[in-house]
Amino acid sequence: QVQLQQWGTGLLKPSETLSLTCAVYGESFSGDYWNWIRQTPGKGLEWIGEITQSGSANYDPSLKSRVTISMDTSKNQFSLKMTAVTAADTAVYYCSRRPGRYYFDYWGQGSLVTVSS
Amino acid sequence: QSALTQPRSVSGSPGQSVTISCTGTSSNVGGYNYVSWYQHHPGKAPKVVIYDVTKRPSGVPDRFSGSKFGNTASLTISGLQAEDESDYYCCSYAGSYTLVFGGGTKLTVL
Repeated sequence: QVQLQQWGTGLLKPSETLSLTCAVYGESFSGDYWNWIRQTPGKGLEWIGEITQSGSANYDPSLKSRVTISMDTSKNQFSLKMTAVTAADTAVYYCSRRPGRYYFDYWGQGSLVTVSS
Repeated sequence: QSALTQPRSVSGSPGQSVTISCTGTSSNVGGYNYVSWYQHHPGKAPKVVIYDVTKRPSGVPDRFSGSKFGNTASLTISGLQAEDESDYYCCSYAGSYTLVFGGGTKLTVL
């Protein structure tokens, strides 16, 4: 059974950098795609980006300039960094697995990130 | 890329059927058979109920079904039950290894 457990900074000031990490239990990274998705109060779910086992990452075009997704295969973890956050980045952030097809089957528990001065 | 368009809310009585639409473009919904649907209860992680437009993961009741015509995908829930009350989101592959979600639909079981 695959489990994703995530953690990171919950309260940020505008212009700071958001940092979240997701640990994968129950399987290795091979063959799957590891994603970050957020839920904002006004816009619902929003896909942020993903990384493959080879380390290749793809991002939503509107966030691409501020987002980096990386992975540490030795720890079975992947991470999200988002620079220059604003109040519009306040959301619940989820890590998730895309099993080689175009849907998400396992999700982390969600992390509330609030951006406020 | 713009979010897919879903109705803000739908409702139905127990036992009835409801359909939630998800409208995109030929660059996403209309261009690929990679539409998925998620049930999202507040405070919980989303749960996939349909993938690849029509496929149902194991454990999801056959009351949930999906379809697509042109640039619009649909999720139909038949035999509505109280526990189906939730938010529902569609998601589509959008080319260039990107995905896009819909704005979400709140389903109320009357």
